[in-house]
Amino acid sequence: DVKVTQSSRYLVKRTGEKVFLECVQDMDHENMFWYRQDPGLGLRLIYFSYDVKMKEKGDIPEGYSVSREKKERFSLILESASTNQTSMYLCASSRPGSPHFGSGTRLTVV
Amino acid sequence: GQQLNQSPQSMFIQEGEDVSMNCTSSSIFNTWLWYKQEPGEGPVLLIALYKAGELTSNGRLTAQFGITRKDSFLNISASIPSDVGIYFCAGRPWGNEKLTFGTGTRLTIIP
Repeated sequence: DVKVTQSSRYLVKRTGEKVFLECVQDMDHENMFWYRQDPGLGLRLIYFSYDVKMKEKGDIPEGYSVSREKKERFSLILESASTNQTSMYLCASSRPGSPHFGSGTRLTVV
Repeated sequence: GQQLNQSPQSMFIQEGEDVSMNCTSSSIFNTWLWYKQEPGEGPVLLIALYKAGELTSNGRLTAQFGITRKDSFLNISASIPSDVGIYFCAGRPWGNEKLTFGTGTRLTIIP
């Protein structure tokens, strides 16, 4: 079974803090994704990586950056957290093929 | 970014009833996926469809890839309490690994 692990289930951060969300997959998948999920808006793609050190912007990249130094790890970075970044963040990976998701990180920015 | 039109937004049904939901898009997709999400968890893949007209089952779940490539349907037969959750469709165009997701159908089973 594919395992996608997100390092934190819940995070509370202060406005202006730099925040790192970590994601690790154990299936040697090429593709990794970061989504944001908000009620009524579904899942929206923030960033996508198709190889180490390669990345593409998704639909809502503003305020976020990513890092993929190793194939198994994909980090989402909020350079200066704001309250409108309070959300559920979901990481996914695929070979290519059908993405498998982690359990999510619920981030609250106060 | 584009989003798919998924309907209905929510369903309240009694245990044992059948369920139908669908997604439509203005664009053609090469792949349709259906996911289920339970509270506090990430989406779990239920069914993947790769060919127009394809009909695929996974237990009590059946999904179809519309022949126009712009829609997909998910049916759940004889619903049980553990079917409760949010169901998402997702589509992927040819040559692109990025999925577009529907806004979800929240399924509630009335005791």
